Amino acid sequence: DIVMTQSPLSLPVTPGEAASISCRSSQSLLHSNGYNYLDWYLQKPGKSPQVLIYLGSTRASGVPDRFNGSGSGTDFTLKISKVEAEDVGVYYCMQAIQIPPTFGGGTKVEIK
Amino acid sequence: LQLQEAGPGLVKPSETLSLTCTVSGGSVTDGTSYWGWIRQPPGKDMEWIGSIYYNEKSYNNPSLESRVTISIDTPRNQFSLKLRSVTAADTAIYYCARHAGKLVVRIDSWGQGTLVTVSS
Repeated sequence: DIVMTQSPLSLPVTPGEAASISCRSSQSLLHSNGYNYLDWYLQKPGKSPQVLIYLGSTRASGVPDRFNGSGSGTDFTLKISKVEAEDVGVYYCMQAIQIPPTFGGGTKVEIK
Repeated sequence: LQLQEAGPGLVKPSETLSLTCTVSGGSVTDGTSYWGWIRQPPGKDMEWIGSIYYNEKSYNNPSLESRVTISIDTPRNQFSLKLRSVTAADTAIYYCARHAGKLVVRIDSWGQGTLVTVSS
């Protein structure tokens, strides 16, 4: 299975400031079709996960443009340009290039 | 689109865990959707269990393959999970979900999740 490694484990942020989460995979997620099969999810406290970014950099429907995904191959980043209080929760990356899809361990974002 | 899990919250060791997901606001026969199960054990990483298409073709996590059956009931607009011979390690929040392709991309609808505890 592909191993997904996220950092940091915890990220205290000040509202209005930027935040960045890293995700690394043990194998390349770049498909021959040119897409990176990497999704980002946010699980808000007490809620189910929700998709933020899919195929590495495509924002899901309704996701604010302060969320941006980038990277290719084995190194990916989720950036939140100006963190808002509603952005707290656990962020997960997930690879979808190979069955079984596998998740990172999560990054907990909290407000300072 | 809404998904709702249903099933026992407590299962005895060695027995079979059975969950059903009811889909509303959409159809399980939608050819652009795959229907899956994902679980989140307490304090551990999320784990994909398996998925199914409306033509009843399913595919599972190899680590659970020998114990998992996923089925679909198109008239009832439901799909189901059976996990046999459970142990305490199967204690988790179980989510049903929809994703956009056979490769599990863009899981864009999730049920609220149901906690299943394996204990005697």
